[in-house]
Amino acid sequence: QTVLTQPPSVSGAPGQRVTIPCTGGSSNIGARYDVHWYQQHPGRAPKLLIYGYTNRPSGVPDRFSGSKSGTSASLAITGLQAEDEAYYYCQSYDSSLTSYVFGTGTKVTVL
Amino acid sequence: EVQLVQSGAEVKKPGESLRISCQGSGFGFTNFWIGWVRQMPGKGLEWMGKIDPSDSYTDYSPSFRGHVTMSADKSISTAFLQWSSLKASDTAVYYCARLIYSSSTYYSEYWGQGTLVTVSS
Repeated sequence: QTVLTQPPSVSGAPGQRVTIPCTGGSSNIGARYDVHWYQQHPGRAPKLLIYGYTNRPSGVPDRFSGSKSGTSASLAITGLQAEDEAYYYCQSYDSSLTSYVFGTGTKVTVL
Repeated sequence: EVQLVQSGAEVKKPGESLRISCQGSGFGFTNFWIGWVRQMPGKGLEWMGKIDPSDSYTDYSPSFRGHVTMSADKSISTAFLQWSSLKASDTAVYYCARLIYSSSTYYSEYWGQGTLVTVSS
């Protein structure tokens, strides 16, 4: 059951800005549960990118930023670089499912 | 340095049992919950559940409860994920992760390298 929806893909040229929405509902993002973001390169383990909607762990470039609006969250990548080409997943908690949930995932392509 | 090192790839037949491991180092293993995540071939991430190594209390996702068992041995800083009877649909990469609580939810701060489990006759 999909509760956090992301677009399958987004793309941009080097240097451009892209945003990835994560659309939820009243039992997850709308219920004020935090959203976190992960980056995963093919064949590699996921890496924490953003936690608590807007916070970056040490070592994550400030090109990555997160935000929230209502029942959605977004990840923005500014100054797109070749190494940003990867899959990105949002995560939150859903009170109806009583479980943590991941978004459907978005592939970012750098043109 | 915080590290989570998972056991190596496994190839099993349907009906066989399996236990994979996740050994933590560089931190107090009993101070953090450990989560497990499944990634089926070509698919996204799925939350399986988490375990508190200090007392082995488990919290399973409803989708995985009854299908897998999580355990931990704090004396060797290792968490385990096990199956009693594998199915072909269990073929996936399984990740463990160290969890941190952030105001309302846990997030995965550090990840293991993943364990590929292949179930095929």
